Amino acid sequence: DTGVSQDPRHKITKRGQNVTFRCDPISEHNRLYWYRQTLGQGPEFLTYFQNEAQLEKSRLLSDRFSAERPKGSFSTLEIQRTEQGDSAMYLCASSDGQGSGNTIYFGEGSWLTVV
Amino acid sequence: GENVEQHPSTLSVQEGDSAVIKCTYSDSASNYFPWYKQELGKRPQLIIDIRSNVGEKKDQRIAVTLNKTAKHFSLHITETQPEDSAVYFCAPTWGGNQFYFGTGTSLTVIP
Repeated sequence: DTGVSQDPRHKITKRGQNVTFRCDPISEHNRLYWYRQTLGQGPEFLTYFQNEAQLEKSRLLSDRFSAERPKGSFSTLEIQRTEQGDSAMYLCASSDGQGSGNTIYFGEGSWLTVV
Repeated sequence: GENVEQHPSTLSVQEGDSAVIKCTYSDSASNYFPWYKQELGKRPQLIIDIRSNVGEKKDQRIAVTLNKTAKHFSLHITETQPEDSAVYFCAPTWGGNQFYFGTGTSLTVIP
């Protein structure tokens, strides 16, 4: 399968612990996005990479969140000192950045439950 | 940032009827207008999109219409089927960077 893959698919963690999610985009896709989605809401933008450069970051993203894409391929999203409000599905998406509009492809998401 | 609203938030139709979902946006620079379908527990998937140089696009039972002057675009589903039941999101964008999704419309098709 050459789609966007995310790992782990599910994570249960205790409040205060750190968690890290990994995203492998579609090969050759230079754009990578992280979104957060809670029940009944649309995906909420967190951050965006073009190759290894983090070009946009939502002001809603607290200092406890950090994302990297060190070699312009896979990306990681780390949440430090998790809080119950962090419980959500974290979606990764990628695109090839062609033209003024392009299709983004989502991964299956990583479900986080903070207890 | 872009202010995106969808109406209605929930929609129930009888199988075979048509469904229309409207998306309004605030950023006049938006030039790409996609619709995504998300089934329960699944990832959002693109079902149709339109660019600002086109007013309407159709793909079998699905169509999208755009009114750039009024800053809204709509998803039209004809001859609805139970498998069309899902949540639909719009995500108007510019520059190919899709940051802002609508709040979603939950469509239920009643057999």
